[in-house]
Amino acid sequence: NAGVTQTPKFQVLKTGQSMTLQCAQDMNHEYMSWYRQDPGMGLRLIHYSVGAGITDQGEVPNGYNVSRSTTEDFPLRLLSAAPSQTSVYFCASSSHTYEQYFGPGTRLTVT
Amino acid sequence: AQSVTQLGSHVSVSEGALVLLRCNYSSSVPPYLFWYVQYPNQGLQLLLKYTSAATLVKGINGFEAEFKKSETSFHLTKPSAHMSDAAEYFCAVTIYNQGGKLIFGQGTELSVKP
Repeated sequence: NAGVTQTPKFQVLKTGQSMTLQCAQDMNHEYMSWYRQDPGMGLRLIHYSVGAGITDQGEVPNGYNVSRSTTEDFPLRLLSAAPSQTSVYFCASSSHTYEQYFGPGTRLTVT
Repeated sequence: AQSVTQLGSHVSVSEGALVLLRCNYSSSVPPYLFWYVQYPNQGLQLLLKYTSAATLVKGINGFEAEFKKSETSFHLTKPSAHMSDAAEYFCAVTIYNQGGKLIFGQGTELSVKP
C-alpha cells in the first residue's frame, strides 16, 4: 500500500494563478481531509469529506474548493492564489477508527 | 465545537529526563483524542489514541497518555527522553461521527539536550 500520496511536493505560484493539489489514498478510507500548517498555529482544517460526493467546510475554507468524485481521490483547488495561502498543505484519510493517516505534504509559496 | 490547547510551545529536557507535554481539550460530548509527532520536513505520525476504552493509553516509542475527564486533559509522557524524541508534537480531538474533522492544538516543540 502506498498510503496517502500528494503531488506536487513543492509549488511556486504567482498571485492570481490557480492550481490543484492532488491527494490519493489506497486504503479504501471513507474520510479524507485537507489541512494547512503554519508556524505557531498547528494544523488547521480546510475541508473534509465523509464519503464520495459529500464534502464540508472546516476551520479555514475561504479561497479553497474541493470535490470528491471517488473514494480514492480528494483534490484541493486554489482558484486565485494569494500570498496568505503560502503554507504547507497536508492531506489525510481515516476509517471508522478515526485515526488519520497523513500524506508527506505540499509546500506552496505564493509570490 | 471542540478545541485543544497545548500548554507550552517549546519544551526542553535533558536526555534521560521525564518528558511531559500538556494537552487540554474542550468538548461537550465524549471525545476521541490523539497525539501525533512530526519530525522536520515530514508528515505526521500517530503516537497514540484514546477512543473511550482504557484511560491510560500506551503508544509507540515508549510514550503514553492518560485521559482525565475531570481535568479535561490528555497529557503525553515518556519516562526517559532520548535524543531521537526531538520533534514537534500535536494533540488533536474529534468526536463520534466526525472522523474527517480533527481539530489540532498549536503544537509543542520538544528539544532534548545531551
